[in-house]
Amino acid sequence: GAVVSQHPSRVICKSGTSVKIECRSLDFQATTMFWYRQFPKQSLMLMATSNEGSKATYEQGVEKDKFLINHASLTLSTLTVTSAHPEDSSFYICSAIPGTDTQYFGPGTRLTVL
Amino acid sequence: AQSVTQPDIHITVSEGASLELRCNYSYGATPYLFWYVQSPGQGLQLLLKYFSGDTLVQGIKGFEAEFKRSQSSFNLRKPSVHWSDAAEYFCAVGISYLNNDMRFGAGTRLTVKP
Repeated sequence: GAVVSQHPSRVICKSGTSVKIECRSLDFQATTMFWYRQFPKQSLMLMATSNEGSKATYEQGVEKDKFLINHASLTLSTLTVTSAHPEDSSFYICSAIPGTDTQYFGPGTRLTVL
Repeated sequence: AQSVTQPDIHITVSEGASLELRCNYSYGATPYLFWYVQSPGQGLQLLLKYFSGDTLVQGIKGFEAEFKRSQSSFNLRKPSVHWSDAAEYFCAVGISYLNNDMRFGAGTRLTVKP
């Protein structure tokens, strides 16, 4: 089956620093990847749709200058949380679509901002 | 826009008992429906999906779901629950098979008693 990986799985950083999270499709090419954010005991909230070779599409209320998304290849999308603050602490999950199949999700990245 | 309601935040069942998790959706056209399972600190795993055809859908791990258009429901069932089924379950609705606009319910946490 389709496998999506994320790196790192956990990251702790100081307030004001930037953090990059990688999302990779390991055995398929993905023209589209998605980034979600999940608060404790809550559902996933779509942050943005990442399209290879073009600008990401952000959901309403998501700051594009704070959450930078780059989809430079068909197997890699990155999410950079710039100038992170404690309120950015969350569980970030990416997903990717192989062709016209359903979304496959990565294992998530736990971000803690001190 | 489409939306999903999972009325039960938390359900506890005994091991070996049957399970039904409720999901109601709101969407004007034919929905694309999904059930995902999430273990603590993990990403989401697809249990099953409904696009068209037979309204009773079989999934992995012995789960099934039935699409009822008249009730706008897509309830998840399992005849005999195992302790390893304890997890968070999310129902999701998409507007196309491309999954480029999927919305998740708030989730139902399943606890399994020995």
